[in-house]
Amino acid sequence: ETGVTQSPTHLIKTRGQQVTLRCSSQSGHNTVSWYQQALGQGPQFIFQYYREEENGRGNFPPRFSGLQFPNYSSELNVNALELDDSALYLCASSRDRAGTEAFFGQGTRLTVV
Amino acid sequence: GESVGLHLPTLSVQEGDNSIINCAYSNSASDYFIWYKQESGKGPQFIIDIRSNMDKRQGQRVTVLLNKTVKHLSLQIAATQPGDSAVYFCAEKNSGGYQKVTFGTGTKLQVIP
Repeated sequence: ETGVTQSPTHLIKTRGQQVTLRCSSQSGHNTVSWYQQALGQGPQFIFQYYREEENGRGNFPPRFSGLQFPNYSSELNVNALELDDSALYLCASSRDRAGTEAFFGQGTRLTVV
Repeated sequence: GESVGLHLPTLSVQEGDNSIINCAYSNSASDYFIWYKQESGKGPQFIIDIRSNMDKRQGQRVTVLLNKTVKHLSLQIAATQPGDSAVYFCAEKNSGGYQKVTFGTGTKLQVIP
């Protein structure tokens, strides 16, 4: 196990709703990144949080937002859900913002209907 | 734009044989290349990485080869075991200030007992 935990494991939402996904990073890690993985695809980088600040962002619209807390846990919020938002959402923590070894959680499977 | 891709979507290997998974990349500026293993229902697991100034790196039963001339990366798994069955992703990362990892679409490795 990586020590990165995500909740919930599965979630079903209706189009137009809002969702919050949670991630607890591995002990000693101050950086959290979020990825979206569509079925049969590789994960796509959404954004990264380092010491409670957004530190980098991929090609995702502003309705994808996040937070990092003083204990380095993190939330991913998605507003105005669309059917294409259905995916596995992965959280990865790392010891610092530039390292290569990131530890992934098991993900949250979001289904938008 | 940058892209990381794989040559074969599925690879079947007899147990005990060696496996070779190939990957092509297009971003010459990439500093790190990483291999991840993703088992069903789990998040990606870091296997091994290699810096762009190296051409070979060995781990436990795994070897990564980097050919910058043809922008090609490979993962060799020695004495493939049933537990190696998974989807393998090559990924690249720049040594910038944040932990954005760009994944390819993945190769499914099936180990035949």
